[in-house]
Amino acid sequence: EVQLVESGGGLVKPEGSLRLSCAASGFTFNGYSLNWVRQAPGKGLEWVSSISTNSNYIHYADSVRGRFTISRDNAQNSLYLQMNSLRAEDTAVYYCVRVGTYGSGNRRSWFDSWGQGTLVTVSS
Amino acid sequence: DIQMTQSPSTLSASAGDRVTITCRATQSVSTYLAWYQQKPGKAPKVLIHRASSLESGVPSRFNGSGSGTDFTLTISGLQPDDFATYYCQQYNSFPYTFGQGTKLEIK
Repeated sequence: EVQLVESGGGLVKPEGSLRLSCAASGFTFNGYSLNWVRQAPGKGLEWVSSISTNSNYIHYADSVRGRFTISRDNAQNSLYLQMNSLRAEDTAVYYCVRVGTYGSGNRRSWFDSWGQGTLVTVSS
Repeated sequence: DIQMTQSPSTLSASAGDRVTITCRATQSVSTYLAWYQQKPGKAPKVLIHRASSLESGVPSRFNGSGSGTDFTLTISGLQPDDFATYYCQQYNSFPYTFGQGTKLEIK
């Protein structure tokens, strides 16, 4: 069974930093691209960032580019999101998400497995 | 960026009804379109990918269609478990984008 477990969320002041982690199990971790998707309270879904199997292809939403950094450790079956210069509008539940297609490269794929999410609150 | 617009934003229906949600993209996404269901306090769950491919384990009352810029999700014979919020998502190009959501409510 695919499992994605996020951690690292919490309350942080504006301009602060936070590092989210996602521990994966139940599948061949290095065979799948991964993403972070967020959802502000009471709002819709927003894709944040994507990283390919070997970290060769990385993409960011304009809203976080230059402030957030996605990374992965295939030896540890873990995905990360380093978030700097946080703003109130970054307040959201952050989901770790696996794509539905196996393989490397910059291929198109839907999201087939989601973690339970971790809440990040940016407030003074 | 490709914008995704869903309609309606809210839909009231009864168990047993057939409902249709539409999703329109500002430019062609071919058939790289997925539909997700989300219940309060839970993570989204994929229902349909590649516009019309039913995800494994998803009941056949869910049907997706369309290509290019216009897509539909149809649910036939609504069950109590289907009352939730539905999102479309294009994955044709980055940044991947979602529709604003359609909340399916019990009439």
